[in-house]
Amino acid sequence: KAGVTQTPRYLIKTRGQQVTLSCSPISGHRSVSWYQQTPGQGLQFLFEYFSETQRNKGNFPGRFSGRQFSNSRSEMNVSTLELGDSALYLCASSAASGRLSGNTIYFGEGSWLTVV
Amino acid sequence: AQRVTQPEKLLSVFKGAPVELKCNYSYSGSPELFWYVQYSRQRLQLLLRHISRESIKGFTADLNKGETSFHLKKPFAQEEDSAMYYCALRQGAQKLVFGQGTRLTINP
Repeated sequence: KAGVTQTPRYLIKTRGQQVTLSCSPISGHRSVSWYQQTPGQGLQFLFEYFSETQRNKGNFPGRFSGRQFSNSRSEMNVSTLELGDSALYLCASSAASGRLSGNTIYFGEGSWLTVV
Repeated sequence: AQRVTQPEKLLSVFKGAPVELKCNYSYSGSPELFWYVQYSRQRLQLLLRHISRESIKGFTADLNKGETSFHLKKPFAQEEDSAMYYCALRQGAQKLVFGQGTRLTINP
């Protein structure tokens, strides 16, 4: 079974540009979430989707947005990029929608974004 | 506020020595806690969760509600245990609150 797949793996953008990152969850998984990982702030939750609906959102500015498609794939978008947005963006998926004990969250390898 | 604290950013031990990575949490309710590990150039992966009470790769972790701790332990460290370890608290279906992580280095 393929794991969580993220594209692109690496990208460089200029301040002010926007970027879209993609995530394909594990087959059969309907819950997808996104995290930002930086050396200074560590791993921080961005948002969570289930059945195309955003269920939870972290404490990030409105420049960060996301969506989920009917096939459970997800994208996140960051507009008007700032230098501080340079980070590893991780996508995660799980099978269930609830806070169930067996609901393991699996992570992708991430997309490395550098803003110059 | 719900929070996870890993007091040690770096931990270095010799091969064969015991290892303990500390994790403290604050949470109002029944916590669900995890340890994730990130080996060099690999993805973040689940190591163990408190509800399973299992031992993975020789690691165990016991939830102590009185001390609000979930420390990760291994009696005899191996070189392949060198990695970044994150303690995490589930706050929602897919929302995990992570500690800052501890980089464990096992010296030969």
